[in-house]
Amino acid sequence: GESVGLHLPTLSVQEGDNSIINCAYSNSASDYFIWYKQESGKGPQFIIDIRSNMDKRQGQRVTVLLNKTVKHLSLQIAATQPGDSAVYFCAEIFRYSNDYKLSFGAGTTVTVRA
Amino acid sequence: ETGVTQSPTHLIKTRGQQVTLRCSSQSGHNTVSWYQQALGQGPQFIFQYYREEENGRGNFPPRFSGLQFPNYSSELNVNALELDDSALYLCASSLSGLGEKLFFGSGTQLSVL
Repeated sequence: GESVGLHLPTLSVQEGDNSIINCAYSNSASDYFIWYKQESGKGPQFIIDIRSNMDKRQGQRVTVLLNKTVKHLSLQIAATQPGDSAVYFCAEIFRYSNDYKLSFGAGTTVTVRA
Repeated sequence: ETGVTQSPTHLIKTRGQQVTLRCSSQSGHNTVSWYQQALGQGPQFIFQYYREEENGRGNFPPRFSGLQFPNYSSELNVNALELDDSALYLCASSLSGLGEKLFFGSGTQLSVL
């Protein structure tokens, strides 16, 4: 399953399918974005990051897309596996002079069906 | 495992008390940030320390304070605890004050009764 353009709090995906997780960010001046995965009882785990001067970045089985026009970020996971079941958060970082602010999105719970 | 360790893992306090949470950053990292995560929500940024100086702060009252030591470990202090302070407190470290590629610990679960 996939969701395009809309943030959903939950996403159920068939094993082997591709997943798309969406995130809307709030500050047009944010210049750095990160996707995190959080499993139950653990801290968030870094997945992939992207700077504001890019619109796409690929990692191993993951791709992040950034659309600054509509302040939208997405994470695509290829060939979703049971180990991908977790809560996924996007984070935006605003940096100016000595000021630093990081904001996390609401999170999407991904459940992978066998 | 990220190499970021937090202590204690669980803590129970009563309203009005004070608490100190501790974090050891990953080797080589000079920046530490702290987050509050309520159940079912995303982490909320409290503040960040870079080379022992606070260089960013979220929307938390002054009763949330911190320290970073010369070895880059850190403490989060919360005074006059309130029931709403019950949450998972996460620490993250990174290589620079720019806060990139944060590596998180497993957190301290604080319960305020």
